[in-house]
Amino acid sequence: GAVVSQHPSWVICKSGTSVKIECRSLDFQATTMFWYRQFPKQSLMLMATSNEGSKATYEQGVEKDKFLINHASLTLSTLTVTSAHPEDSSFYICSARLQNHGEQYFGPGTRLTVT
Amino acid sequence: GQQVMQIPQYQHVQEGEDFTTYCNSSTTLSNIQWYKQRPGGHPVFLIQLVKSGEVKKQKRLTFQFGEAKKNSSLHITATQTTDVGTYFCAGPRYSSASKIIFGSGTRLSIRP
Repeated sequence: GAVVSQHPSWVICKSGTSVKIECRSLDFQATTMFWYRQFPKQSLMLMATSNEGSKATYEQGVEKDKFLINHASLTLSTLTVTSAHPEDSSFYICSARLQNHGEQYFGPGTRLTVT
Repeated sequence: GQQVMQIPQYQHVQEGEDFTTYCNSSTTLSNIQWYKQRPGGHPVFLIQLVKSGEVKKQKRLTFQFGEAKKNSSLHITATQTTDVGTYFCAGPRYSSASKIIFGSGTRLSIRP
């Protein structure tokens, strides 16, 4: 149980274009999902918290207009990187938490390369 | 702000040797979680410790939560090549318990 999927697993895009990443909880409902970014050889940094049916909450320093989050259902959250630039190249990982449980279950991640 | 640090940053051991990573938080934690991330992979939950002084074992892995609930350790006995990866501790955010803050991680590599 507690499987989270992400799509795509990797994507290459040109500077200035937008990229959408999907995160799905496959066997449970997730009212809250989290989006992280991980640069090479670094730890995971929380970008935003995605809440089903309401606006996402963003961490300090993360531009909400650049990283658009939509959590339209209890099993799907999307992150859209708008007007991507090379510095946005990173490993983006989503996670979901079972209700009343502390641990988070992570998706396999999406490796974004902006050329 | 709240920080969770791990030492060492890297550890390279001979297969069969033991390995320990230490996790230190700037604030008291209600619980501590440990995750393992294989190279190119995503973090996988290993365990959660809740009680002060708690010790839990998973086969060759031993997890401890400090008495003050500000530090923790993960010890692997007789490492195997399958243990390769980065080990992260994580704890609830001081400002919002539903979010977790990850430690800096310890990368373990093993000589066969």
